[in-house]
Formats: sequence, structure tokens, C-alpha cells
Amino acid sequence: EAGVAQSPRYKIIEKRQSVAFWCNPISGHATLYWYQQILGQGPKLLIQFQNNGVVDDSQLPKDRFSAERLKGVDSTLKIQPAKLEDSAVYLCASSSTGPFEYFGPGTRLTVT
Amino acid sequence: DQQVKQNSPSLSVQEGRISILNCDYTNSMFDYFLWYKKYPAEGPTFLISISSIKDKNEDGRFTVFLNKSAKHLSLHIVPSQPGDSAVYFCAASAKSGGGADGLTFGKGTHLIIQP
Repeated sequence: EAGVAQSPRYKIIEKRQSVAFWCNPISGHATLYWYQQILGQGPKLLIQFQNNGVVDDSQLPKDRFSAERLKGVDSTLKIQPAKLEDSAVYLCASSSTGPFEYFGPGTRLTVT
Repeated sequence: DQQVKQNSPSLSVQEGRISILNCDYTNSMFDYFLWYKKYPAEGPTFLISISSIKDKNEDGRFTVFLNKSAKHLSLHIVPSQPGDSAVYFCAASAKSGGGADGLTFGKGTHLIIQP
């Protein structure tokens, strides 16, 4: 079974620019998560989707971050405009049932 | 207000010995706990888990112990092998089985296995 796919793997942008990340979850997984992992910290949940709908986005900075999951499969996470403190690894994860989450390799974002 | 705490940023253990990684939590609503292992430039991979109704779960060289009264869990690796060198994250969920819920992670412990 193919794992969670993410692209790009690395991205460098200047502050105030925009950036988008893409995630393709494991086939059949209804739940999709985006996490932000700042260097030296554990992953922090940004948003959780159940099929097309948002289950939890309480920690998403909605003034600059947005995410969508069209047709209940792929998802994109966007940052507009980016700040220096957004430099982090953005991890996508998916699950079918229960708390077992499968993670993608992540996108490392550097904001200069 | 860190709800999941891993107080040891790093741990060095000799190959063949036991590695013990610790984790504390503060949220009484957590009812499922997981350990993830992470290599550089890769996403975390699931290692082992335990439900709050149990106090021990074993899988090969890996055993997780849960002490609910102390809100403490630990991961034991016996014997430790060079391939175990990685960052280990403790994670907790407030909803087990049935529906999914986002995980709350600790900061991680970098385990280094010395030859």
C-alpha cells in the first residue's frame, strides 16, 4: 500500500510571499491532518478533516493559513503571507479508524 | 501549557542495553497513547501504542508501560540496537477507537545507541 505523499519536499520563500503544500493520503483514509513541526518541538496539529469537512481547526492561524480537501481525497495547505516564524516542517497524516496516524515525509519550509 | 512532556531531550545508551524513554501527561481526558519514531528527513512512523485500560503492551523488543495514577508512561527497548538511534515522540489522543482525533505530541527524545 502506498504511503502518504507530500510535495514539494523543500521550499524556500521570502517573507510576505505565498506558498502552498500538497498532500495525497493513503487510499481509503477518511481522516486527514496537517501538522506543523518547528525545529526542536513536537508536531502541532493545525487542522483535521473528516472526508470533506473540517473537524478541528482551532490551532490554525486563520488570518494567514488556509486548507482545503476537495472530494475528500487530496488536500492543500496555503500560507499567505508567510512570516519568518512559519519556518517549519509541515507534515500531512491520514488515518482510517482510531488514533493511528500515518505520516508523510513532510515539507520543509524556510522563510527568509 | 504542554499537555505531553518528554523531559529528556536526549539519551545515550550502549548497544545491547535497555533504553528507557519517559513521558508525562497532564490531561486526564487522554485515553490512548502512542510512540512514534522519527529519522531525519522522514515523517514519524508509528511504533507502539497503549490504551488507558491497560498498563502494559509489548511488541517484540518494545514495551510500553502506563501508570495512570501518575500520568506517566515509558517505552522500553531491549536490547537496544544501532538502528534504534532516532528521535522518539510520545503522543496522546483523547478519543480512542471509532473516530479519529488529532494527536498531542511531546517535544521528543533523541536516542543515541553507542556501539
